[in-house]
Amino acid sequence: GQNIDQPTEMTATEGAIVQINCTYQTSGFNGLFWYQQHAGEAPTFLSYNVLDGLEEKGRFSSFLSRSKGYSYLLLKELQMKDSASYLCAVRVDRGSTLGRLYFGRGTQLTVWP
Amino acid sequence: NAGVTQTPKFRVLKTGQSMTLLCAQDMNHEYMYWYRQDPGMGLRLIHYSVGEGTTAKGEVPDGYNVSRLKKQNFLLGLESAAPSQTSVYFCASSFLWDRASYEQYFGPGTRLTVT
Repeated sequence: GQNIDQPTEMTATEGAIVQINCTYQTSGFNGLFWYQQHAGEAPTFLSYNVLDGLEEKGRFSSFLSRSKGYSYLLLKELQMKDSASYLCAVRVDRGSTLGRLYFGRGTQLTVWP
Repeated sequence: NAGVTQTPKFRVLKTGQSMTLLCAQDMNHEYMYWYRQDPGMGLRLIHYSVGEGTTAKGEVPDGYNVSRLKKQNFLLGLESAAPSQTSVYFCASSFLWDRASYEQYFGPGTRLTVT
C-alpha cells in the first residue's frame, strides 16, 4: 500500500508564507502532484515534481526530495482566496499501469485577514 | 472545450436503488478515473480505465461497476445503493503522454446521498 501523510489543518494570516509538508512511502514512485481544492469544488492542478529540487510558479513553489520521501508546497504572500484544501498525490507506475495517483487526506488551510 | 463533465450534480437514493453516474470528456484523453471523496479520507480510486473497452479496479471497487464503451465516456454504476456509498464522486481524465506528467483533470463532482 501507499503511505502518504500531510497535516490535517493549518492556519496563517494574509500576506504571510506557509509551508505544507507531505511525506510518502511507496513503491513505483514516479512523481508528486499538488492539487488545490476549494470547498464544494473539484481539485485543480498546482504543480508536479519528478526530479529533486524546487519548482517555482508565481506565489507557489513545490519541492521534492526523492531520497527522503518528502515534498512541500510553499505559498507566499497569502491571500484570502488561498483558503482551501491542498492535496498531495504520488504518481505510481507499476507494470502496464502508468500514471495512477494516490492521494493524501488533504491539508485544510485557513487564511485569516 | 467543456473539459470533464459529470451528470447528475446531485442525487438522493434510497437503500437498494440503482443508478448510473455519467462522466464525459472532450479532450481525447486515454485514461479515465472514478474517485470518491469522504470527509477526512481524501480521494480514493474506485475504478479506472486505460482505454476504450478496458477497465480495472482501484482501491475501493466493491459495490460499483464501470463501463467504457466510448473513449469519451466513463460510466459508474451502483447496482444496490447502500448508505456507506453516500459521498462526493469525482471523475477525472488524463493523457497517456502529457509532458510526462499524467496531470489529471477533474470534473465538478456528483453529490450522492443514500438514505
